[in-house]
Amino acid sequence: AQTVTQSQPEMSVQEAETVTLSCTYDTSESDYYLFWYKQPPSRQMILVIRQEAYKQQNATENRFSVNFQKAAKSFSLKISDSQLGDAAMYFCALRLQGAQKLVFGQGTRLTINP
Amino acid sequence: GAGVSQSPSNKVTEKGKDVELRCDPISGHTALYWYRQRLGQGLEFLIYFQGNSAPDKSGLPSDRFSAERTGESVSTLTIQRTQQEDSAVYLCASSWRFDTQYFGPGTRLTVL
Repeated sequence: AQTVTQSQPEMSVQEAETVTLSCTYDTSESDYYLFWYKQPPSRQMILVIRQEAYKQQNATENRFSVNFQKAAKSFSLKISDSQLGDAAMYFCALRLQGAQKLVFGQGTRLTINP
Repeated sequence: GAGVSQSPSNKVTEKGKDVELRCDPISGHTALYWYRQRLGQGLEFLIYFQGNSAPDKSGLPSDRFSAERTGESVSTLTIQRTQQEDSAVYLCASSWRFDTQYFGPGTRLTVL
Protein backbone atom coordinates (compact mmCIF):
# COMPACT_ATOMS: atom_id res chain seq x y z
CA ALA A 1 0.00 0.00 0.00
CA GLN A 2 1.09 3.54 -0.61
CA THR A 3 1.34 6.18 2.11
CA VAL A 4 1.99 9.92 2.06
CA THR A 5 3.18 11.78 5.14
CA GLN A 6 3.21 15.52 5.76
CA SER A 7 4.97 16.09 9.05
CA GLN A 8 4.14 19.79 9.40
CA PRO A 9 0.50 20.34 10.42
CA GLU A 10 1.02 24.12 10.30
CA MET A 11 3.54 26.53 8.84
CA SER A 12 3.72 30.30 8.72
CA VAL A 13 5.83 32.71 6.70
CA GLN A 14 6.19 36.44 6.28
CA GLU A 15 4.82 37.91 3.09
CA ALA A 16 7.49 37.99 0.32
CA GLU A 17 9.59 35.36 2.08
CA THR A 18 10.23 31.77 1.01
CA VAL A 19 8.73 28.71 2.68
CA THR A 20 9.23 24.98 2.14
CA LEU A 21 6.57 22.37 2.87
CA SER A 22 7.71 18.79 3.45
CA CYS A 23 6.28 15.55 2.10
CA THR A 24 7.55 12.00 2.24
CA TYR A 25 5.93 8.96 0.71
CA ASP A 26 6.26 5.23 0.58
CA THR A 27 5.70 2.94 -2.37
CA SER A 28 7.41 -0.13 -3.78
CA GLU A 29 6.58 0.95 -7.32
CA SER A 30 9.01 2.86 -9.53
CA ASP A 31 6.56 4.61 -11.85
CA TYR A 32 4.28 7.16 -10.26
CA TYR A 33 3.25 10.79 -10.19
CA LEU A 34 3.42 13.26 -7.33
CA PHE A 35 1.24 16.31 -6.86
CA TRP A 36 0.81 19.31 -4.63
CA TYR A 37 -2.74 20.59 -4.30
CA LYS A 38 -3.86 23.80 -2.58
CA GLN A 39 -7.18 23.99 -0.75
CA PRO A 40 -8.31 27.51 0.20
CA PRO A 41 -11.32 28.10 2.48
CA SER A 42 -13.56 27.73 -0.57
CA ARG A 43 -12.77 23.97 -0.29
CA GLN A 44 -11.89 23.58 -3.96
CA MET A 45 -8.70 21.60 -4.49
CA ILE A 46 -6.44 23.43 -6.93
CA LEU A 47 -3.49 21.73 -8.62
CA VAL A 48 -0.27 23.59 -7.82
CA ILE A 49 2.39 21.41 -9.40
CA ARG A 50 2.94 17.91 -10.72
CA GLN A 51 6.06 15.73 -10.99
CA GLU A 52 6.58 12.53 -12.96
CA ALA A 53 8.83 10.12 -11.08
CA TYR A 54 10.81 9.21 -14.20
CA LYS A 55 11.89 12.83 -14.65
CA GLN A 56 15.00 13.86 -12.75
CA GLN A 57 14.40 17.55 -13.35
CA ASN A 58 12.39 19.23 -10.62
CA ALA A 59 9.09 20.73 -11.74
CA THR A 60 8.59 24.49 -11.55
CA GLU A 61 5.49 26.63 -11.93
CA ASN A 62 6.21 30.34 -11.52
CA ARG A 63 6.82 30.89 -7.77
CA PHE A 64 6.29 27.22 -6.96
CA SER A 65 9.00 24.58 -7.30
CA VAL A 66 9.64 21.13 -5.93
CA ASN A 67 12.66 19.29 -4.61
CA PHE A 68 12.10 15.70 -5.71
CA GLN A 69 14.48 13.17 -4.13
CA LYS A 70 13.39 9.79 -5.47
CA ALA A 71 15.83 7.68 -3.49
CA ALA A 72 14.81 9.39 -0.27
CA LYS A 73 11.11 9.34 -1.29
CA SER A 74 10.86 13.01 -0.55
CA PHE A 75 8.86 15.65 -2.42
CA SER A 76 8.98 19.12 -0.86
CA LEU A 77 7.27 22.25 -2.17
CA LYS A 78 9.03 25.60 -2.15
CA ILE A 79 6.97 28.77 -2.42
CA SER A 80 9.02 31.86 -3.25
CA ASP A 81 7.93 35.46 -2.71
CA SER A 82 4.94 34.32 -0.60
CA GLN A 83 1.72 36.22 -1.18
CA LEU A 84 -1.36 36.60 1.01
CA GLY A 85 -3.33 34.57 -1.54
CA ASP A 86 -1.06 31.59 -0.93
CA ALA A 87 -2.65 31.05 2.48
CA ALA A 88 -4.41 27.66 2.34
CA MET A 89 -4.15 23.98 3.20
CA TYR A 90 -1.57 22.25 1.05
CA PHE A 91 -1.84 18.56 0.29
CA CYS A 92 0.80 16.26 -1.15
CA ALA A 93 -0.56 13.34 -3.20
CA LEU A 94 0.73 10.24 -4.98
CA ARG A 95 -0.72 8.30 -7.89
CA LEU A 96 0.79 5.15 -9.31
CA GLN A 97 1.30 4.82 -13.04
CA GLY A 98 -1.80 3.17 -14.49
CA ALA A 99 -3.77 3.55 -11.27
CA GLN A 100 -6.68 5.82 -10.68
CA LYS A 101 -6.84 7.00 -7.13
CA LEU A 102 -4.78 9.68 -5.48
CA VAL A 103 -3.33 8.94 -2.05
CA PHE A 104 -3.18 12.11 0.02
CA GLY A 105 -1.19 13.28 2.99
CA GLN A 106 -2.86 14.90 5.99
CA GLY A 107 -2.13 18.42 4.81
CA THR A 108 -0.18 21.46 6.00
CA ARG A 109 -1.96 24.68 6.87
CA LEU A 110 0.06 27.63 5.56
CA THR A 111 -0.42 31.08 7.05
CA ILE A 112 1.04 34.18 5.42
CA ASN A 113 1.83 37.02 7.82
CA PRO A 114 1.57 40.52 6.31
CA GLY B 1 -14.67 26.17 -19.92
CA ALA B 2 -16.76 25.17 -16.91
CA GLY B 3 -15.11 23.25 -14.11
CA VAL B 4 -16.42 20.40 -12.00
CA SER B 5 -19.62 21.37 -10.22
CA GLN B 6 -21.26 19.76 -7.21
CA SER B 7 -24.62 20.14 -5.54
CA PRO B 8 -25.76 20.86 -2.98
CA SER B 9 -22.99 22.97 -1.53
CA ASN B 10 -24.11 22.11 1.99
CA LYS B 11 -26.47 19.44 3.27
CA VAL B 12 -27.76 19.00 6.80
CA THR B 13 -29.68 15.83 7.53
CA GLU B 14 -30.91 13.80 10.43
CA LYS B 15 -29.34 10.51 11.43
CA GLY B 16 -31.00 7.63 9.59
CA LYS B 17 -32.05 9.65 6.53
CA ASP B 18 -30.78 8.97 2.99
CA VAL B 19 -28.87 11.65 1.05
CA GLU B 20 -27.88 12.09 -2.59
CA LEU B 21 -24.93 14.16 -3.68
CA ARG B 22 -24.45 15.21 -7.29
CA CYS B 23 -21.36 15.80 -9.41
CA ASP B 24 -21.15 17.29 -12.91
CA PRO B 25 -17.71 16.59 -14.39
CA ILE B 26 -15.83 18.67 -16.92
CA SER B 27 -17.22 18.01 -20.37
CA GLY B 28 -15.18 15.39 -22.21
CA HIS B 29 -13.56 13.96 -19.09
CA THR B 30 -13.87 10.18 -19.14
CA ALA B 31 -12.94 9.50 -15.52
CA LEU B 32 -14.79 10.58 -12.38
CA TYR B 33 -13.76 10.15 -8.75
CA TRP B 34 -15.38 10.60 -5.36
CA TYR B 35 -13.33 11.38 -2.24
CA ARG B 36 -14.28 12.03 1.37
CA GLN B 37 -12.53 14.60 3.56
CA ARG B 38 -13.18 14.45 7.28
CA LEU B 39 -12.54 17.57 9.33
CA GLY B 40 -8.82 18.35 9.48
CA GLN B 41 -7.90 15.30 7.42
CA GLY B 42 -6.65 14.51 3.96
CA LEU B 43 -8.84 13.05 1.24
CA GLU B 44 -9.90 9.40 1.25
CA PHE B 45 -10.68 7.71 -2.07
CA LEU B 46 -14.21 6.31 -2.30
CA ILE B 47 -15.00 5.25 -5.87
CA TYR B 48 -13.82 5.71 -9.45
CA PHE B 49 -15.61 5.53 -12.81
CA GLN B 50 -13.86 5.25 -16.18
CA GLY B 51 -16.05 5.31 -19.26
CA ASN B 52 -18.24 2.22 -19.47
CA SER B 53 -15.89 0.04 -17.41
CA ALA B 54 -16.97 -1.42 -14.10
CA PRO B 55 -16.35 1.14 -11.34
CA ASP B 56 -13.63 0.68 -8.73
CA LYS B 57 -15.59 0.63 -5.47
CA SER B 58 -12.69 -0.39 -3.29
CA GLY B 59 -12.80 2.76 -1.16
CA LEU B 60 -16.47 2.68 -0.18
CA PRO B 61 -16.53 2.37 3.64
CA SER B 62 -19.75 0.37 3.93
CA ASP B 63 -22.68 -0.97 1.92
CA ARG B 64 -24.63 2.15 2.91
CA PHE B 65 -22.57 4.01 0.30
CA SER B 66 -23.24 3.64 -3.42
CA ALA B 67 -22.64 5.70 -6.54
CA GLU B 68 -23.87 5.76 -10.10
CA ARG B 69 -22.72 7.40 -13.28
CA THR B 70 -24.49 7.38 -16.62
CA GLY B 71 -21.97 7.24 -19.44
CA GLU B 72 -19.50 10.09 -19.13
CA SER B 73 -21.88 12.53 -17.49
CA VAL B 74 -23.37 13.23 -14.09
CA SER B 75 -22.68 11.05 -11.07
CA THR B 76 -24.62 10.70 -7.84
CA LEU B 77 -23.25 9.46 -4.54
CA THR B 78 -25.93 8.03 -2.25
CA ILE B 79 -25.53 7.45 1.47
CA GLN B 80 -28.31 5.44 3.05
CA ARG B 81 -29.27 5.54 6.73
CA THR B 82 -26.75 8.28 7.45
CA GLN B 83 -24.68 8.14 10.62
CA GLN B 84 -22.90 10.96 12.44
CA GLU B 85 -19.52 9.60 11.31
CA ASP B 86 -20.60 10.26 7.72
CA SER B 87 -20.28 14.00 8.38
CA ALA B 88 -17.55 15.24 6.05
CA VAL B 89 -16.89 17.12 2.84
CA TYR B 90 -17.47 14.95 -0.23
CA LEU B 91 -15.31 15.98 -3.16
CA CYS B 92 -15.72 14.95 -6.76
CA ALA B 93 -12.97 15.10 -9.39
CA SER B 94 -12.78 14.35 -13.09
CA SER B 95 -9.96 13.72 -15.53
CA TRP B 96 -9.21 12.79 -19.09
CA ARG B 97 -8.34 9.10 -18.70
CA PHE B 98 -5.47 8.89 -16.16
CA ASP B 99 -4.45 12.52 -16.50
CA THR B 100 -4.53 15.18 -13.81
CA GLN B 101 -7.66 15.22 -11.65
CA TYR B 102 -9.62 18.46 -11.37
CA PHE B 103 -11.78 18.89 -8.31
CA GLY B 104 -15.16 20.42 -7.62
CA PRO B 105 -15.94 22.62 -4.59
CA GLY B 106 -17.35 19.73 -2.60
CA THR B 107 -20.52 19.12 -0.62
CA ARG B 108 -20.34 19.60 3.14
CA LEU B 109 -22.56 16.96 4.76
CA THR B 110 -23.61 17.36 8.37
CA VAL B 111 -25.49 14.53 10.05
CA LEU B 112 -27.26 15.58 13.22
